[in-house]
Amino acid sequence: QSALTQPASVSGSPGQSITISCTGASSDVGTYNFVSWYQQLPGKAPQLLIFEVSKRPSRVSNRFSGSKSGNTASLTISGLQAEDEADYYCCSYAGSNTWMFGGGTKLTVL
Amino acid sequence: QVQLVESGGGLVKPGGSLRLSCGASGFSFSDYYMSWIRQTPGKGLEWVSYISSSGSVIYYADSVKGRFTISRDNAKNSLYLQMNSLRAEDTALYYCAKCSSGSCLNYFNYWGQGALVSVSS
Repeated sequence: QSALTQPASVSGSPGQSITISCTGASSDVGTYNFVSWYQQLPGKAPQLLIFEVSKRPSRVSNRFSGSKSGNTASLTISGLQAEDEADYYCCSYAGSNTWMFGGGTKLTVL
Repeated sequence: QVQLVESGGGLVKPGGSLRLSCGASGFSFSDYYMSWIRQTPGKGLEWVSYISSSGSVIYYADSVKGRFTISRDNAKNSLYLQMNSLRAEDTALYYCAKCSSGSCLNYFNYWGQGALVSVSS
């Protein structure tokens, strides 16, 4: 199985909105609503941002939102801030008790 | 607060073995499924294995099946990963991660800081 496909990098200016895509297959993203997103700040462990496609843990800002259409999930960050500069990873349940991650997207805040 | 602390990483020769440990605190360890996830610079994140709260249900990624063994000791609030027949491609930062209650389906909501495993001759 190949990893989920994410753009290697995205960038945006403070205040703008950006969207990171995560493309899988009908056997993972397309079938299951168990898509999650993780933010990894430099030198830190990943932290949960979004789960079950669009749900946010209470500690996560409502500037972060998730969605899914077909085999592609998306993470949108609105009102971009300098502190959002990090790597972002998507993850999907892939059936048969296995999980797949995306290759990661580096977000640069200009 | 939830804390997960990995230990046991190091440098090992191809074909060698290593045992990782993960000490958990700040939550009722015996109630939660746990998982190991690894990260390499080239391949990003890769799910490795998970274990149910009681230890009775275990699954592995195909890339480690037959070589790695996950286990837990609920009395010691600890998770383990025994890694045998190590290969160069197993070189990675290994994270232990807490799953949601009763399943890993929904998310991995807390991660440790990782244990570095390097496999090289």
